[in-house]
This record gives sequence, C-alpha cells and structure tokens, in this order.
Amino acid sequence: AQKVTQAQTEISVVEKEDVTLDCVYETRDTTYYLFWYKQPPSGELVFLIRRNSFDEQNEISGRYSWNFQKSTSSFNFTITASQVVDSAVYFCALSEAGGQNFVFGPGTRLSVLP
Amino acid sequence: SQTIHQWPATLVQPVGSPLSLECTVEGTSNPNLYWYRQAAGRGLQLLFYSVGIGQISSEVPQNLSASRPQDRQFILSSKKLLLSDSGFYLCAWGKRRADTQYFGPGTRLTVL
Repeated sequence: AQKVTQAQTEISVVEKEDVTLDCVYETRDTTYYLFWYKQPPSGELVFLIRRNSFDEQNEISGRYSWNFQKSTSSFNFTITASQVVDSAVYFCALSEAGGQNFVFGPGTRLSVLP
Repeated sequence: SQTIHQWPATLVQPVGSPLSLECTVEGTSNPNLYWYRQAAGRGLQLLFYSVGIGQISSEVPQNLSASRPQDRQFILSSKKLLLSDSGFYLCAWGKRRADTQYFGPGTRLTVL
C-alpha cells in the first residue's frame, strides 16, 4: 500500500532563514512519481515539482530545491532565504504507475515571520 | 494552455438542501478528472474520479455523487446536505493516470 508521511505539522521560521520540509513515502511499485504542492491562504493547490522514481537527481529552481533519496524513501523540499510569501501549507504526494490515484501527505504548515 | 474553473467560489447552504458544484477544464481533451474535499485544517480526501464521459469511480461512500456529462465537465452533487459536508472542494485534472494533477481554485462550502 502507498503512504506519504510529513512528520512536521507546523514550522515557523524568520524571514531569510532556510527551511526544509520532510517527506517520507512508502510504495511497492518500482515505478512511481513524487510531487510537491503549495497551498497558499487562497486555497488553490499549486503544483511545484514532479520527480519519477528513475531520476534521483536533485533539482533546484530559484530558492527551491528538492532532495530525492530512494535509499531512505524521502523527497525533501528546501526553501532557501525564506520569504513571507512562502507561508503556506505544503503537501507531498505519491502516485504509482500502476495505480490511478494520488496519495497526499497530511501537509506541513509553514509560517515565515517578518 | 490549460485552465480549470470551479464555481461557485463560496456557498452557504442549509442542512437538507441540494448541492451542485461545477468544474470545467479548457485546453485539453479527455482528461482524468477528480473531486477532493478538504475539511478545515485537514488534508485532502479523494471523493470521485473519472476517466471519461459517464465513467465515475467513488472512493468514499457518502451522500455525495458525481457526474461527467461532457468530456471536460465534472459535477459534484448532493440531494440533501449534512453538516459534515462543509469543507473546501477542489477539482483537479490530469492527462493520464498517475500523472501530475492540476487543481482548480476550489469552492468553500458551509452547511448550516
């Protein structure tokens, strides 16, 4: 069965600090996909990134970076030099190639204080 | 480019009243469509998904139903709302199974 765990329920940081959001997943499929979504106060889920299980290269996009490690079943998300606009709930999600649906983690609420 | 619309944006309904939420997608054909619910302060719960016109799969048995009368239209309905139906309803689309899902702006439903 597939499962996504985000152990950090809430995180507060001061602006310009770096912050890492943890995501640990479980799956029996050898082909799967991992995602991060951002949900700002407006409510809409914004897609941030997708990685497939065959590509363990870390990715950087501006202040955002993602560390995918199959050995530890983790797909962590780091925001460098955080800004107030980064305040949101962040969801990690997993889908299996042989499946139909996503499994979302419970989310981590990030508050960036000025 | 693809866009996804939901309406209404907010809705306040009395217990026992009917419900109809609509979701439409533009710029793509034969998408997979999804309805999720998010209770206050909670995670996402998949309610229904559809791989084609008239094809609906239910993930959670409840007093809600879904229909897909057209390729890019997905409707969430109820004949009689319950207090527990309050929440934030999100529609999403994806090109293929397991593929990236893109979400609409959501409908915030309050049942009083």
